[in-house]
Amino acid sequence: DAGVTQSPTHLIKTRGQQVTLRCSPKSGHDTVSWYQQALGQGPQFIFQYYEEEERQRGNFPDRFSGHQFPNYSSELNVNALLLGDSALYLCASSLFGQSNSPLHFGNGTRLTVT
Amino acid sequence: AQSVTQPDIHITVSEGASLELRCNYSYGATPYLFWYVQSPGQGLQLLLKYFSGDTLVQGIKGFEAEFKRSQSSFNLRKPSVHWSDAAEYFCAVVGGGADGLTFGKGTHLIIQP
Repeated sequence: DAGVTQSPTHLIKTRGQQVTLRCSPKSGHDTVSWYQQALGQGPQFIFQYYEEEERQRGNFPDRFSGHQFPNYSSELNVNALLLGDSALYLCASSLFGQSNSPLHFGNGTRLTVT
Repeated sequence: AQSVTQPDIHITVSEGASLELRCNYSYGATPYLFWYVQSPGQGLQLLLKYFSGDTLVQGIKGFEAEFKRSQSSFNLRKPSVHWSDAAEYFCAVVGGGADGLTFGKGTHLIIQP
């Protein structure tokens, strides 16, 4: 049973560029959430996707956008990259509408912006 | 808004000794509470969760946590730590509205031989 998979594992970009990160949820899950984890901090909620729509959003600017595909996989896009966007980006999957459904996390994509 | 405080940034424990990691939360209603562990370069693994019922919950790897509503706390415990327990530990809370998880800043656990 495959867990949550993310690609790529590492990425280096330059300020002002755009980046796309990808995530495949755990088998049987229909909801994907994205988190940003800066160095030495806890993960921060970016947004959640279900049925190909953004359902909830944390306190992140519009430069952060996403997409969910019919097979439940998801992409996170960040435009106009800033140095402060350097972080570990974690994808988590779950079952929609069940707050008590534990999130299953991938190993993350380490983004470095230079 | 919900929030989580983990007062200890670093904790050092000798192998075989007991462990308690503190977590305090702020949430208006009954929260759903979680403890996750993160090894270097890895994602987060769920240790245990509390939704309702028995306030003492058992998790994986010999961990347990106790929910104390009067203290707004959900402390993580283990009677005897192993060197492999060295990692970052995160407490998290989510409300009934299925918002995203709110995490604390984490506690870095160091195990001394």
